[in-house]
Amino acid sequence: ELKVEQNPLFLSMQEGKNYTIYCNYSTTSDRLYWYRQDPGKSLESLFVLLSNGAVKQEGRLMASLDTKARLSTLHITAAVHDLSATYFCAVEKDSNYQLIWGAGTKLIIKP
Amino acid sequence: DTGVSQDPRHKITKRGQNVTFRCDPISEHNRLYWYRQTLGQGPEFLTYFQNEAQLEKSRLLSDRFSAERPKGSFSTLEIQRTEQGDSAMYLCASSWRTANYGYTFGSGTRLTVV
Repeated sequence: ELKVEQNPLFLSMQEGKNYTIYCNYSTTSDRLYWYRQDPGKSLESLFVLLSNGAVKQEGRLMASLDTKARLSTLHITAAVHDLSATYFCAVEKDSNYQLIWGAGTKLIIKP
Repeated sequence: DTGVSQDPRHKITKRGQNVTFRCDPISEHNRLYWYRQTLGQGPEFLTYFQNEAQLEKSRLLSDRFSAERPKGSFSTLEIQRTEQGDSAMYLCASSWRTANYGYTFGSGTRLTVV
């Protein structure tokens, strides 16, 4: 059974600092997705990672995928308050388009 | 096309009533998905369609739940005889056939069963 674990589940940090959110998954998959969710809102797609070694960057966020280690990271550089949200990783199960989700990392960035 | 639309945004219903939600996907997308999300958790897969065919259903989808996608366009999710445990955000998403560009989610329907 495919399981997805994120850590930490909660992160409070100061503006200007760097940090990394980790996403581990239990069985082979080549597709991993990162989403952002603001309170009471839907899910906003951040990154689609489709192969081993994939690295994508958008602004202060950078995501990478290591399929051999079954690990993805979401790195935040010089955090700003607007990045406060809950971040989810999701892994595609058996290439059948069913996404298995982590529990989410609630990120609070203090000004 | 402005993305995935869901209606209603909020629904409050009494236990035992039936409710129906609608999802209009991005018109070029032929795959449509339903997920359920409870507070503080990641979404859970319920079912998905390729065009009008329902290809997979989760064990979470009890007999009280039914989804349709007539003509491969919009989809409806019906919950019969609602229970308090059905209270959640119901999210619809759509994608291209290959999903290489990811999944686009709607704003969701928040269901509260009282």
